[in-house]
Amino acid sequence: NAGVTQTPKFRILKIGQSMTLQCAQDMNHNYMYWYRQDPGMGLKLIYYSVGAGITDKGEVPNGYNVSRSTTEDFPLRLELAAPSQTSVYFCASSYPSREAKLFFGSGTQLSVL
Amino acid sequence: AQSVTQLGSHVSVSEGALVLLRCNYSSSVPPYLFWYVQYPNQGLQLLLKYTTGATLVKGINGFEAEFKKSETSFHLTKPSAHMSDAAEYFCAVREDFGNEKLTFGTGTRLTIIP
Repeated sequence: NAGVTQTPKFRILKIGQSMTLQCAQDMNHNYMYWYRQDPGMGLKLIYYSVGAGITDKGEVPNGYNVSRSTTEDFPLRLELAAPSQTSVYFCASSYPSREAKLFFGSGTQLSVL
Repeated sequence: AQSVTQLGSHVSVSEGALVLLRCNYSSSVPPYLFWYVQYPNQGLQLLLKYTTGATLVKGINGFEAEFKKSETSFHLTKPSAHMSDAAEYFCAVREDFGNEKLTFGTGTRLTIIP
C-alpha cells in the first residue's frame, strides 16, 4: 500500500525557473493538501482540494498554483521560483470527515538559489 | 479564526522522566484537536486526537492528552520518556465539519537525555 507518494525528494532550482511537485495517493481520499514547512514556523497550508475539479487557497498561496483533475493526483506548480520558496513541501490526504487524520507524504526538499 | 500556540520550541527531558508538551488553542466553536509527530526526514504521523466525548485521550506509544475547555489547552504527556520519543511534535486544530483546513502549531522539538 503506497499511501501518499511525492516526487521528487530533492530539487535545486535557479531563481525564475519553474517546476511541478507531484503528489499521488492511492487511498481514494477526497481531501488533499499542500503544506510548506520552514524551521520554527510549523506547517503552513498552501492550497487544498475537497475533490476533483475543486481547489481553494490556504494561508500562503502566493507564487503557487494547483490543479485537481483526478481524485488521485494533486500537483503543485511553482511558476517563477524565488528564494523565499526554499522550504520542505508536504502533500497530505484524508477522508472527508472532521475526525479524519491526515496521511502525509515523505516530503520534497526544495532549494531556490 | 482557529489557531494553536505551542509553548517551548525545544524541550529536553531525561530518559524515564515525564514528558509534557504544551498546546493552547483558539477557536470560536468546539474544536477538534490533534497531536502529530514527525521523526527525522519523514512526514507527520497522527499520535492522538480529540473530537467529542472523553476529554482524556490515549494515543500511540504511551502518549495521552487531556482536553481542558476552561483552560483552552490540550497538553501532551507521557509518564516515562524513551530514547525513541525524540522527534518534533505538532499540535493542530480543526473547527468544524464545514472547515476542511487543519491548522498546525509551530512545533516542539523533544530531545531525550540518556
